[in-house]
Amino acid sequence: NAGVTQTPKFQVLKTGQSMTLQCAQDMNHEYMSWYRQDPGMGLRLIHYSVGAGITDQGEVPNGYNVSRSTTEDFPLRLLSAAPSQTSVYFCASSQGLAAGRTQYFGPGTRLLVL
Amino acid sequence: SQQGEEDPQALSIQEGENATMNCSYKTSINNLQWYRQNSGRGLVHLILIRSNEREKHSGRLRVTLDTSKKSSSLLITASRAADTASYFCATDGSNSGYALNFGKGTSLLVTP
Repeated sequence: NAGVTQTPKFQVLKTGQSMTLQCAQDMNHEYMSWYRQDPGMGLRLIHYSVGAGITDQGEVPNGYNVSRSTTEDFPLRLLSAAPSQTSVYFCASSQGLAAGRTQYFGPGTRLLVL
Repeated sequence: SQQGEEDPQALSIQEGENATMNCSYKTSINNLQWYRQNSGRGLVHLILIRSNEREKHSGRLRVTLDTSKKSSSLLITASRAADTASYFCATDGSNSGYALNFGKGTSLLVTP
């Protein structure tokens, strides 16, 4: 199993550009999440999904969209990039309550917005 | 919002010493987890302790949970240079679906 994969690993954007961060998992997990990690801030939840077709907002959803058309994929879209979105983005999947919501993380995408 | 808060923010020890990190949280939980993050990498799950457990071991890791004080500690015994990483506690939140609330982490440096 590849686990959780994320592409791209690095990305530089100009202010106002849009892009999609890809996330895929091959563990058949129902639950997937997107976090951003900033220095001194820890991980903050952007959006999450409890199954295909179901998404909800986390702590910092503004400027981001998600969709979940399949169990495997959970892309994160930046609608109009801003310098404040410079961060490292992590996708995670989990088995849910029975497994204590243990999260399996991807390797991350480093995004720089100029 | 972030529920867990790790202490200290940074810790520097020598190989062979024990490392203790603490986590405090604010609301009731079903379980608490600890994760490790090596520089430039994603987080890796270390151990989970449920709210009805007081102590749990996994190899050189020992985790305690005191629900009355809303706190947990992670002890790494006989530290190695390879233990150098950031360590995060995470709790299950009532308002985040099946995602977790992470603290800001403790940065551990183990020198040879």
